[in-house]
Amino acid sequence: DVVMTQSPLSLPVTLGQSASISCRSTQSLVDTAGNTKLHWFQQRPGQSPRRLIYKVSNRDSGVPDRFSGSGSGTDFTLKISRVEAEDVGDYYCMQDRYWPHTFGRGTKLEIK
Amino acid sequence: EVQVVESGGGLVQPGGSLRLSCAASGFTFSTAWMRWVRQAPGKGLECVANINQDGSEEWYLDSVKGRFTISRDNAKNSLFLQMNSLRAEDTAVYYCVGGGWFAYWGQGALVTVSS
Repeated sequence: DVVMTQSPLSLPVTLGQSASISCRSTQSLVDTAGNTKLHWFQQRPGQSPRRLIYKVSNRDSGVPDRFSGSGSGTDFTLKISRVEAEDVGDYYCMQDRYWPHTFGRGTKLEIK
Repeated sequence: EVQVVESGGGLVQPGGSLRLSCAASGFTFSTAWMRWVRQAPGKGLECVANINQDGSEEWYLDSVKGRFTISRDNAKNSLFLQMNSLRAEDTAVYYCVGGGWFAYWGQGALVTVSS
């Protein structure tokens, strides 16, 4: 199975500061059509997961532009600039290039 | 507006069965891959089963293969998960997820396997 390694697992951030989450996969996530099948999800406390970013860097409708995704191959990053209180929660990267589709362990973002 | 609503969760004894249902609307269900993703209490996310647009392809996590069956009814915009021979480790919130690249998530259905 493709293992998705996220770091850090805990991320205390001061309001207004930036935060960055790394995600590394054990295999390249580029498919035969050239799509990189790496996505990011946010799960606020007590809520269902919500997709933030698809295919590395495409932000979903309604997601603030403070969220951005980057990376290629096996190495990816989610960046949150100007962290707000509503950003508290767990963040997961996920690959659906291979079955089983696998998620990272999650990064818990909290406000310092 | 997209809506994904799961139902059918509950408490079941080890070895028992349960059938989850998911009603979707607001997107073209018949052209979407659909999945079930679960989250054990306090744990991360795990994709349990996938089904393609016309139901001709099914994919299962090894730990549920032979026990769980995913199916769909495109005429009713509905997804199902038949779970048999349930174990304590299947206890989780089960999310119905659809749309391209896991776009749409339901609120989840809690399945508790306990005697």
